[in-house]
Amino acid sequence: DGGITQSPKYLFRKEGQNVTLSCEQNLNHDAMYWYRQDPGQGLRLIYYSQIVNDFQKGDIAEGYSVSREKKESFPLTVTSAQKNPTAFYLCASSIDWRGAFFGQGTRLTVV
Amino acid sequence: GIQVEQSPPDLILQEGANSTLRCNFSDSVNNLQWFHQNPWGQLINLFYIPSGTKQNGRLSATTVATERYSLLYISSSQTTDSGVYFCAVIGYKLSFGAGTTVTVRA
Repeated sequence: DGGITQSPKYLFRKEGQNVTLSCEQNLNHDAMYWYRQDPGQGLRLIYYSQIVNDFQKGDIAEGYSVSREKKESFPLTVTSAQKNPTAFYLCASSIDWRGAFFGQGTRLTVV
Repeated sequence: GIQVEQSPPDLILQEGANSTLRCNFSDSVNNLQWFHQNPWGQLINLFYIPSGTKQNGRLSATTVATERYSLLYISSSQTTDSGVYFCAVIGYKLSFGAGTTVTVRA
């Protein structure tokens, strides 16, 4: 089946640790996005990539890093510099203007 | 970047009622999507609608691109329609509005 897979579904991080969230798609989409959602809030754009080996900062990129070495994969690393990482993280992909599809999300909790 | 505004922020409905959600955007866009966020957080595609009108069951959407707005209609609302509805526009990136939280009471 085609779609977007995010893993893990739940992730716990200790203070000071880096963690990497996985996002894989087999839709052959060029563009991929990472969003953060806090409880009761909307979606805020962290990073996006329109093509392999290229990505741009979104509105809240500080404390995060990404890579886009393959078309299918767009992992997000939450670094220790991100002071408030507890949130719900959503990955999406799209073919230009023809509509975006989302994964099921990863809930990250700092313990 | 493109600004996306949704209204109202909250909507409380009695089961069976009809409602209209609005999405305004600040610039020309290549496409517009409506999503419903389910209780588990997943975003479900409802429509992608750059212009015109589409219908899917009790839901329909209209986008007037020249006037930079889109409307989502919910008819004969059911408790399962509760949740957050987002619109998103695709210019050079995907930009979201803040959402409308819909609560349908039995």
